[in-house]
Amino acid sequence: GAGVSQSPSNKVTEKGKDVELRCDPISGHTALYWYRQSLGQGLEFLIYFQGNSAPDKSGLPSDRFSAERTGGSVSTLTIQRTQQEDSAVYLCASRQDRGNYGYTFGSGTRLTVV
Amino acid sequence: AQSVSQHNHHVILSEAASLELGCNYSYGGTVNLFWYVQYPGQHLQLLLKYFSGDPLVKGIKGFEAEFIKSKFSFNLRKPSVQWSDTAEYFCAVPNNDMRFGAGTRLTVKP
Repeated sequence: GAGVSQSPSNKVTEKGKDVELRCDPISGHTALYWYRQSLGQGLEFLIYFQGNSAPDKSGLPSDRFSAERTGGSVSTLTIQRTQQEDSAVYLCASRQDRGNYGYTFGSGTRLTVV
Repeated sequence: AQSVSQHNHHVILSEAASLELGCNYSYGGTVNLFWYVQYPGQHLQLLLKYFSGDPLVKGIKGFEAEFIKSKFSFNLRKPSVQWSDTAEYFCAVPNNDMRFGAGTRLTVKP
């Protein structure tokens, strides 16, 4: 597609429920990133996929968070047993290759845990 | 790993005022630096980037940033801001991923 697509754009969930957030990167972009943007906290790196390499999960805040990328394209970020502190905007970005810093960001999913 | 810090959390200016937003980076070696902007309700967009060469980098919409190695700084500047510059500004440095500063919210009063 023309840009990075994320769905849903907004998600309200009850504390304790699981949620799945989806990211469709730009076709042909080998690198995919998930970030979390919380009020007053800036952008927090979560996880990074590069081609067929093992993902860099160093930013995931707890074992309730996981992500996968199927077929080198679509990625799903899953948050299990959501907590109120998980409320944030979750941003996905893709990039063409390792040497190109042309990140393209999606519009994000606003997650509210009530 | 390299990191960046932004110390101004919220800046409020009147139109036509000059702008300087601070960004400091942590690493003294070869460094690439970026400024991103997020207008209200919009995606993050690249404003400008520094790789090497001329330390004064020109970006879109009249923004510029100066890489000062001795000060570990890459401050963003604009001589005369407009109401439409109201946005959040992020300084960033690449590792395997892009590491962002906490961001500076700029409010420009008309």
